[in-house]
Amino acid sequence: DGGITQSPKYLFRKEGQNVTLSCEQNLNHDAMYWYRQDPGQGLRLIYYSQIVNDFQKGDIAEGYSVSREKKESFPLTVTSAQKNPTAFYLCASSVTSGTVNEQFFGPGTRLTVL
Amino acid sequence: AQSVTQPDIHITVSEGASLELRCNYSYGATPYLFWYVQSPGQGLQLLLKYFSGDTLVQGIKGFEAEFKRSQSSFNLRKPSVHWSDAAEYFCAVGAPSNTGKLIFGQGTTLQVKP
Repeated sequence: DGGITQSPKYLFRKEGQNVTLSCEQNLNHDAMYWYRQDPGQGLRLIYYSQIVNDFQKGDIAEGYSVSREKKESFPLTVTSAQKNPTAFYLCASSVTSGTVNEQFFGPGTRLTVL
Repeated sequence: AQSVTQPDIHITVSEGASLELRCNYSYGATPYLFWYVQSPGQGLQLLLKYFSGDTLVQGIKGFEAEFKRSQSSFNLRKPSVHWSDAAEYFCAVGAPSNTGKLIFGQGTTLQVKP
């Protein structure tokens, strides 16, 4: 079945550690996105990538980093510079870049800082 | 700049009653509009979308939405709510000039009373 997978589902991090969230899609989509979701704030865009080996900052990129070495994969690293990383993280993809299309979402990763 | 407002943070309806969730957007031209639903701890699922044409759009699970340009609105409706409709609902807007990015509202949580 085609879709988007995110792992792990739950992730615990100690303060000062970097952690990487996985996002993989087999939909052959060009564009991929990372969102952060906090209660009452909707979804906020962290980073997005329209094509392999290229990505752009979203609205809240500080303290995060990404890579897009393969079309199928768009991992997100939450660095120690992110002061309040506890949140629900959602990855999404869409068919083409540069125009508006439906975004397909993964099941999410809940990150908790201990 | 584009923006999306969902005026109602929380709505409670009785099972079998009708439902209308409000969404207002700000954009200079005709936007691309979406409604997504999210069950607790899950990703987002697309309910329906409007790009052009008929302003009354039918979606999955018995939902529909109407685009009203004069009111800058895209309200979601369902004639008879089921207990399984309890979830969080997000309205989103995209613009062709915005490289495919979507702007999400803050969400409306729907509670269904038996």
